[in-house]
Amino acid sequence: KAGVTQTPRYLIKTRGQQVTLSCSPISGHRSVSWYQQTPGQGLQFLFEYFSETQRNKGNFPGRFSGRQFSNSRSEMNVSTLELGDSALYLCASSLGADSLNTEAFFGQGTRLTVV
Amino acid sequence: SQQGEEDPQALSIQEGENATMNCSYKTSINNLQWYRQNSGRGLVHLILIRSNEREKHSGRLRVTLDTSKKSSSLLITASRAADTASYFCATAEYNNNDMRFGAGTRLTVKP
Repeated sequence: KAGVTQTPRYLIKTRGQQVTLSCSPISGHRSVSWYQQTPGQGLQFLFEYFSETQRNKGNFPGRFSGRQFSNSRSEMNVSTLELGDSALYLCASSLGADSLNTEAFFGQGTRLTVV
Repeated sequence: SQQGEEDPQALSIQEGENATMNCSYKTSINNLQWYRQNSGRGLVHLILIRSNEREKHSGRLRVTLDTSKKSSSLLITASRAADTASYFCATAEYNNNDMRFGAGTRLTVKP
């Protein structure tokens, strides 16, 4: 069974640009969560989707958005990039709706560098 | 914001020794999970312990949870060089619909 796939693995963008990251969950998993990991702030929750609906959202500005498609694949978008958005963005999938109380499977992440 | 705080921040031991990492958190939780991360890669789930459980085992791993002290510990017995990684605790709180990670413990196991 294929794991969680995130694309691209590495990305370099310029300040002010926007970026879209993609996550394909494990087949059959319907819940997808996104996290930002930086050396200074550690791992921080961005948002969670289940059945194409955003169920939970972390404390990030509106520049960070996401969506989930009917096949459970998810994308996150960051607009008007800032240097501080440089981070490893991790996607995790879970089998059911109760993602916070079950095992989450993480992808390898997308490393975004903003210059 | 982070919920859990791991202690120590870094731990270096010899192969074969046991490694103990601690996690403290601030609010009431539904469950606590431990994850491992190898050098800037994705996280691997180790154990989930629910708030009504006190101890759980998985292979060489033992996790304890003390809700009265709001703390958890992860014990890795007979460590191996392959256990070298960062270990994070993550909590799911009653009142927040998100998972909060600690800053992690960086474990180095020397062969």
